[in-house]
Amino acid sequence: DQQVKQNSPSLSVQEGRISILNCDYTNSMFDYFLWYKKYPAEGPTFLISISSIKDKNEDGRFTVFLNKSAKHLSLHIVPSQPGDSAVYFCAASAQRANSKLTFGKGITLSVRP
Amino acid sequence: NAGVTQTPKFQVLKTGQSMTLQCAQDMNHEYMSWYRQDPGMGLRLIHYSVGAGITDQGEVPNGYNVSRSTTEDFPLRLLSAAPSQTSVYFCASSRGQTSGNTDTQYFGPGTRLTVL
Repeated sequence: DQQVKQNSPSLSVQEGRISILNCDYTNSMFDYFLWYKKYPAEGPTFLISISSIKDKNEDGRFTVFLNKSAKHLSLHIVPSQPGDSAVYFCAASAQRANSKLTFGKGITLSVRP
Repeated sequence: NAGVTQTPKFQVLKTGQSMTLQCAQDMNHEYMSWYRQDPGMGLRLIHYSVGAGITDQGEVPNGYNVSRSTTEDFPLRLLSAAPSQTSVYFCASSRGQTSGNTDTQYFGPGTRLTVL
């Protein structure tokens, strides 16, 4: 039973346009959500997070939106850059200190020059 | 700071062999975790530790042992390797609850393990 779902395995966008990566979850106990970015042969790196008490968090070109009623979150990248091409993982935690993260399968983002 | 380091980067084992994947962090983090990533899957939690001397099981603990004798190190042991354990293994650490806030996990570069 997959508790964090990233249903689109890949996304391709033009440089300069918006990238929207979606994530759904089923566990109502999740209260903290994170996005990680991963390049080949490297470990995941933290990108942005959001607590369940918020519905939006912004950091530069990256914004995460949370819709608790729909159990849905999305990551917006504006404007997209070729260096953003990577695998993006959505993760969730039911504990404040998130020692136990549940990950989605990831979305491969390709940004075309 | 080196952050989270993992050794070896690559390893090939035969079925039934044992080995230890090493993980160390120099950030004085309380929490450390081991994940595995398989093709088409997200990262799945194997074991985690909330401090020296304390460990607990994650989602897929079978076939793996861990111990945490120091804050810095969190080795993962495969007692009798099986082909199903072919995967990429990531170690992660975070500050934990003493930080007072929800914290993010920092990942090592990974160990690619193949079991024949």
